[in-house]
Amino acid sequence: QVQLVQSGAEVKKPGASMKVSCKASGYSFTGYYLHWVRQAPGQGLEWMGWINPNSGATNYAQKFQGRVTMTRDTSISTAYMELRSLKSDDTAVYYCARGLAVSGAAMFDWWGQGTLVTVSS
Amino acid sequence: DIQMTQSPSSLSASVGDRVTITCRASQSITSYLNWYQQKPGTAPKLLIYGASSLQSGVPSRFSGSGSGTDFTLTISGLQPEDFATYYCQQSFSIPRTFGQGTNVEVK
Repeated sequence: QVQLVQSGAEVKKPGASMKVSCKASGYSFTGYYLHWVRQAPGQGLEWMGWINPNSGATNYAQKFQGRVTMTRDTSISTAYMELRSLKSDDTAVYYCARGLAVSGAAMFDWWGQGTLVTVSS
Repeated sequence: DIQMTQSPSSLSASVGDRVTITCRASQSITSYLNWYQQKPGTAPKLLIYGASSLQSGVPSRFSGSGSGTDFTLTISGLQPEDFATYYCQQSFSIPRTFGQGTNVEVK
C-alpha cells in the first residue's frame, strides 16, 4: 500500500524558515516524481514544484523561485520541502503528492496527509 | 500559466441528483485534465485522469468528458459521501494549475 507520511504541524515567525518532510513507503521511491502542493485556509490548491527523487532534479513554480528548496534522501525514502523568508500568507496546509503518468497523462495519485504550517508573530 | 476556471463555485444538490461541474482552460490542454475530490480536513483524492479515465477504486457514478479547453465532471446519482469540494487540474504544462474548486453541498 502506497503511503506518504508527512511531518507534524509547525508554528513559525515571519522571516523564519520551515522544512516539511514526506516519507514514502509501499513503492519504489526513486521511480516517481514527488510534487508539493499547498492550500491556504479556506482556499484552493496551489502547486509549488516537483523533485525527481532519482536524480534530485527539481522544478519550482516561478512564484516560489529563490525561496523554496526541494531535496530528498533516498536512503530513507524521504523528500523535504524548505520554504524560507516566511510571511503570514504562507500559512497553509502543505501536501506532498506522488506524480504518476499513464499513457502520457500525468496526475497526482497519492497524497500525504498534509502539514499545517502557521506563520504568526 | 494556464488558468483553470470552474463553474459553478458552489451548488446545492440532493441525494440521487445528477450533478455536473464544468472546467475551462485558458488555452487548449488537449486531454490533460484531472479531477480531484476533497473533503474537509483531508487530502485531495484523484477521481478522473486524462479527462475521462476513472481512477482505480472510484465509483462508476463519476465520469469525465471534454477536450481542448472545456471539460465536465458528472456525478450520476449523488451519494451522501459525495458532498465535498471538487477541483480540476491541468497537467499539460508547468506550472500545474488547479481550478478554484466547486463545493457540492446538501440542498
